[in-house]
Amino acid sequence: EIVLTQSPGTLSLSPGERATLSCRASQSVVNNYLAWYQQKPGQAPRLLIYDASTRATGIPDRFSGSGSGTDFTLTISRLEPEDFAVYFCQQCASSPLTFGGGTKVEIK
Amino acid sequence: EVQLVESGGGLVQRGGSLRLSCAASGFTFSSYWMNWVRQAPGKGLEWVANIKQDGSEKFYVDSVKGRFTISRDNAKNSLYLQMNSLRAEDTAVYYCAGGEGWTARDWGQGTLVTVSS
Repeated sequence: EIVLTQSPGTLSLSPGERATLSCRASQSVVNNYLAWYQQKPGQAPRLLIYDASTRATGIPDRFSGSGSGTDFTLTISRLEPEDFAVYFCQQCASSPLTFGGGTKVEIK
Repeated sequence: EVQLVESGGGLVQRGGSLRLSCAASGFTFSSYWMNWVRQAPGKGLEWVANIKQDGSEKFYVDSVKGRFTISRDNAKNSLYLQMNSLRAEDTAVYYCAGGEGWTARDWGQGTLVTVSS
């Protein structure tokens, strides 16, 4: 089983600042099948990035994904008020599919 | 517009059974891998199971193997999760989610399952 470790657990930033979220895998994620989701309170997760760096339909270009192998990053270039939420990474390469524990991006 | 609507959640006693359903619309259901993902109150996401487009392959997280069964009916555009021998730790919101590969592109709003002890 691939274990995903997200850091930091909480990120306190102001609107307009840059957010950098990390997701580290316990073993290499084949074909970089790594996805990022955003979840707001009381809502279902929303797919942001798949295959490590491809933005999903309708996702603003301030969201970008990078990385390969075992180290992946989600960057939000300039935080908008609606971006304060919890972010999860998921490896979609091997069963069982696994999620990271999440990073909460909160308003400073 | 893609829609996934879960139903069947509720309160059940430990050791009991429940069957969740997910009704799909707005896309070609038979072209999607489908998943069940759960989230315990205040916790993170946990993938539970997935099923191939034609139902020929199914995968489960270890904690539910032998207790939960995922299935689908492409003629009815529906996904199911039969949950038996329920435990307190199965208490969660259960989401139906799918995509053309294993990445879950589209998600339902979830249905709450509460297992009482």
